[in-house]
Amino acid sequence: AQSVTQLGSHVSVSEGALVLLRCNYSSSVPPYLFWYVQYPNQGLQLLLKYTSAATLVKGINGFEAEFKKSETSFHLTKPSAHMSDAAEYFCAVSNQAGTALIFGKGTTLSVSS
Amino acid sequence: DVKVTQSSRYLVKRTGEKVFLECVQDMDHENMFWYRQDPGLGLRLIYFSYDVKMKEKGDIPEGYSVSREKKERFSLILESASTNQTSMYLCASSPPGQGYNEQFFGPGTRLTVL
Repeated sequence: AQSVTQLGSHVSVSEGALVLLRCNYSSSVPPYLFWYVQYPNQGLQLLLKYTSAATLVKGINGFEAEFKKSETSFHLTKPSAHMSDAAEYFCAVSNQAGTALIFGKGTTLSVSS
Repeated sequence: DVKVTQSSRYLVKRTGEKVFLECVQDMDHENMFWYRQDPGLGLRLIYFSYDVKMKEKGDIPEGYSVSREKKERFSLILESASTNQTSMYLCASSPPGQGYNEQFFGPGTRLTVL
């Protein structure tokens, strides 16, 4: 069965520092993987998705993620954090039937000046 | 731009009331979803629908039902609201496909059951 584990429910960085949010997945079929961001009092917005075209995926707002099959990981990174990046981030994997997404529990990113 | 709208941003109801949460999308998407979001638990799928009048149970359907009479509208119904259904409810839609299509989310309805 498909599942997603996000390591760290809360990550704190300083403005300008590297952002690394960790996501490991379990999938019995080649996975489709997603990162979503949720700003306060808003719905979720897609940051990027992996659909097997390229292992390094670039998204919006300077974020990128690398699919590593050997490590079953899809970690999200950004070279330099900005205050506006403070939000909750969700990793998700498509279910085996391809009919729905399975979400991780989320990681809250705090950015301090 | 895809737009998914939800009928209310905030809702307060009493225990035992019947509650309707409405979701409308304007991009002619076949698939629609209802999730609840709770702190530390992430998003959990309640129900989804891949066509008009079709519905499938998600991971936590107990205490909920859904209705999809028109393609653009997907309603979540709490037959008899209980305090443990206090939560943020998120609706989403997506085009058909093999799981690689992104879901587009509405802004959410924060429901409080007293």
